Amino acid sequence: DIQMTQSPSTLSASVGDRVTITCRASQSISSRLAWYQQKPGKAPKVLIYKASSLASGVPSRFSGSGSGTEFTLTISSLQPDDFATYYCQQYNSYPRTFGQGTKVEIK
Amino acid sequence: QVRLVESGGGAVQPGRSLRLSCAASGFTFSNHGMHWVRQAPGKGLEWVAIIWYDGSNKYYADSVKGRFTISRDNSESTMFLQMNSLRAEDTAVYYCARDSPYDSSGSYYFDYWGQGTLVTVSA
Repeated sequence: DIQMTQSPSTLSASVGDRVTITCRASQSISSRLAWYQQKPGKAPKVLIYKASSLASGVPSRFSGSGSGTEFTLTISSLQPDDFATYYCQQYNSYPRTFGQGTKVEIK
Repeated sequence: QVRLVESGGGAVQPGRSLRLSCAASGFTFSNHGMHWVRQAPGKGLEWVAIIWYDGSNKYYADSVKGRFTISRDNSESTMFLQMNSLRAEDTAVYYCARDSPYDSSGSYYFDYWGQGTLVTVSA
């Protein structure tokens, strides 16, 4: 199974900050990586797919990069609506696997 | 608009069974692979199972293999998860999720999710 490791697990930031979350795969997954945002009590929502493609309706302050085993999600200017938990997920092979999540908290 | 609605969750004793449903609307159900993903209370996301668009292939997480069965009825635009021999560690919110549209690379992410249904396994 491909293990996905996110860092940090928790991130404290202020509105307007630039935020970067890292995701590492235990083996190469090419660009078959998605990022999801989840708010408490809600279903996850896709932000980025194919490592760097912005999902429909997602603000342009979100961006993704990387390939192979190292990936990043960047929020260029953190907004109040962005405080949530973020997950990376590989879809290169089964079982599909997620990172453990990164909670973005208000500083 | 795409809509996925899960149902069938509830409280059940260890060793018993439960059947979840995911009713889809707003898209051609038979064109998409469908998944179950679960989330234990306060924990992260765990993929459970997939069924291909035509039901021809199914894959399961090791944690549920041999106990859970995924199926679908394309005529009713509904997917199911039959959960047998339930354990306390199966307690979670169960989400259904849709595979993204056809891609020549054959790789698909989860583009739409339902709101989830809670399964609680406890004596």
